[in-house]
Amino acid sequence: KAGVTQTPRYLIKTRGQQVTLSCSPISGHRSVSWYQQTPGQGLQFLFEYFSETQRNKGNFPGRFSGRQFSNSRSEMNVSTLELGDSALYLCASSIDSSGNTIYFGEGSWLTVV
Amino acid sequence: AQSVTQLDSHVSVSEGTPVLLRCNYSSSYSPSLFWYVQHPNKGLQLLLKYTSAATLVKGINGFEAEFKKSETSFHLTKPSAHMSDAAEYFCVVRTPGDTGRRALTFGSGTRLQVQP
Repeated sequence: KAGVTQTPRYLIKTRGQQVTLSCSPISGHRSVSWYQQTPGQGLQFLFEYFSETQRNKGNFPGRFSGRQFSNSRSEMNVSTLELGDSALYLCASSIDSSGNTIYFGEGSWLTVV
Repeated sequence: AQSVTQLDSHVSVSEGTPVLLRCNYSSSYSPSLFWYVQHPNKGLQLLLKYTSAATLVKGINGFEAEFKKSETSFHLTKPSAHMSDAAEYFCVVRTPGDTGRRALTFGSGTRLQVQP
């Protein structure tokens, strides 16, 4: 069974640009969540989707957005990139959002220059 | 609200000696607790989880953790460290319900060094 797949794995963007990251959950998983990991702030929750609906949102500005498609694949978008957005973005999936085990992808490394 | 405190940011052990990584949590409800490991430039891998069944939880690679409600702790242990255990370890709590937040709350991480 394939794990959580994130694309692209590495990317470099310029300040002011936007970026879209993609996540394919484990087959059969309907909940997808996103996290930002930086050396200074550690792992922080961005948002969670279940059945195409955003269930939960962390404390990030509106420049960070996401969506989930009917096949449970998810995308997150960051607009007007800032240097501080440089981070590892991790996607995780679980069967549902009730507390079942969450499985993480390898992450997308974003560098903003 | 929920929170997680990993009591040590760095732990260094010799190969073959026991490992103890400490974690305390707070949660309004009966939590689910997890330990994840992150090797350099990798995502997070689940080591073990506690979800209100047995309080002593066995995970992969010889790790185990004991849920102690009275102490609000979920410490991770391994009898004998291996060089490949060198990584960052995260204690994580998930509390369903409360204000509807189902997000994971991560500890700040413990970097484990294993000396030869």
